Amino acid sequence: KQEVTQIPAALSVPEGENLVLNCSFTDSAIYNLQWFRQDPGKGLTSLLLIQSSQREQTSGRLNASLDKSSGRSTLYIAASQPGDSATYLCAVAGANSKLTFGKGITLSVRP
Amino acid sequence: DGGITQSPKYLFRKEGQNVTLSCEQNLNHDAMYWYRQDPGQGLRLIYYSQIVNDFQKGDIAEGYSVSREKKESFPLTVTSAQKNPTAFYLCASTTAGGLYNEQFFGPGTRLTVL
Repeated sequence: KQEVTQIPAALSVPEGENLVLNCSFTDSAIYNLQWFRQDPGKGLTSLLLIQSSQREQTSGRLNASLDKSSGRSTLYIAASQPGDSATYLCAVAGANSKLTFGKGITLSVRP
Repeated sequence: DGGITQSPKYLFRKEGQNVTLSCEQNLNHDAMYWYRQDPGQGLRLIYYSQIVNDFQKGDIAEGYSVSREKKESFPLTVTSAQKNPTAFYLCASTTAGGLYNEQFFGPGTRLTVL
């Protein structure tokens, strides 16, 4: 059974810092990995999707990498801003596009 | 605007009542999903449907039921058999098949049992 782990559960950084959020998964037989952002009381917003054959994806200040063989992904956020404060979840897709989610990392960026 | 809508935003249920959560999408997606989110537990899959008139149980289907009579609609009924239904419910959709299967989520429904 696939398990997805995100550690730490919470992170607080000063504004302007570059930071890395980690995600690990136990079964490397995945179709893709997706990073989401969730604001309190809201739904999930897709940030980046990396196909299993890809190594990384970039969107603006965000860069996500995938090392399928070691079961790891990282989300790099450059020059963090207070508006980046949210919970970040990673999820891996197996058969039938079923996603297995991590519990998320709650990020707080201090002005 | 294409997207996923969920209603209501907040729902209160009395003990022993069945309630139905609505999920509609106009993205022309084939597959739809229901997840439950509890504090500190992440998202768990309740039911999913890859095609109209067909659906499968997820990891925590007990006490829930669904239907998929139309491509754009996937309502979830929380029955009285669900012992702890208070949670945040999220609906999602994606194109079925292929490698590019990014999931898109609705805004959620928060269900509270009184």
